Amino acid sequence: EVKLVESGGGLAQPGGSLRLSCAASGFTFSLYEMNWVRQAPGKGLEWLADIRSSGDTKNYADSVKGRFTISRDNAKNLVFLQMNSLRGEDTAVYYCARNGESEPFDHWGQGTLVTVSS
Amino acid sequence: QSALTQPASVSGSPGQSITISCTGTSSDVGNYNAVSWYQQHPGKAPKLMIYEVSERPSGISNRFSGSKSGTTASLTISGLQAEDEADYYCCSYAGSRRWVFGGGTKVTVL
Repeated sequence: EVKLVESGGGLAQPGGSLRLSCAASGFTFSLYEMNWVRQAPGKGLEWLADIRSSGDTKNYADSVKGRFTISRDNAKNLVFLQMNSLRGEDTAVYYCARNGESEPFDHWGQGTLVTVSS
Repeated sequence: QSALTQPASVSGSPGQSITISCTGTSSDVGNYNAVSWYQQHPGKAPKLMIYEVSERPSGISNRFSGSKSGTTASLTISGLQAEDEADYYCCSYAGSRRWVFGGGTKVTVL
């Protein structure tokens, strides 16, 4: 069974940093692209970033480019999202999601809540 | 990249069919057959329902179907059931390895 479990969310101050982790199991992690997607309270989904299976290529939404960094550790089946220069509008539930062979975002974690507030 | 446009809400009675539209541009929906749909119940993670415009992942009921015409994609739910009450999001590839979601549609079963 594919399982994705996010962690690392919490309260951060404006201008601060947080590092999210997503632990994957139930599939050969090193073969799949991974994504981070967020959902602000009461709002829709927003794709943030993806990373190729080998980790050599990363892409970002304009809203987070230059502030957020996606990375992965294929030996430990982990994907990360380093978030710097946090703003109030970054307050959201952050999900990691896998891309299947043809199916985008075919499996999702349960999400981790990030609150940016002073 | 602007979000895809979806109606805020759609409703129907049990057994009826409803259709949710998803309007994009020639840079996303109109240019790629990479439209997907996700169902999200309150407090839960999204779930993939349709990919590549009209393909269903294994385990997804054939009551769910997708289509596309020009820059508008659609999700149809036939034989509406109480468990179908949820938020639904469309998503499209937007080129340069980027993805854009719709604003979401709340489906209410009357």
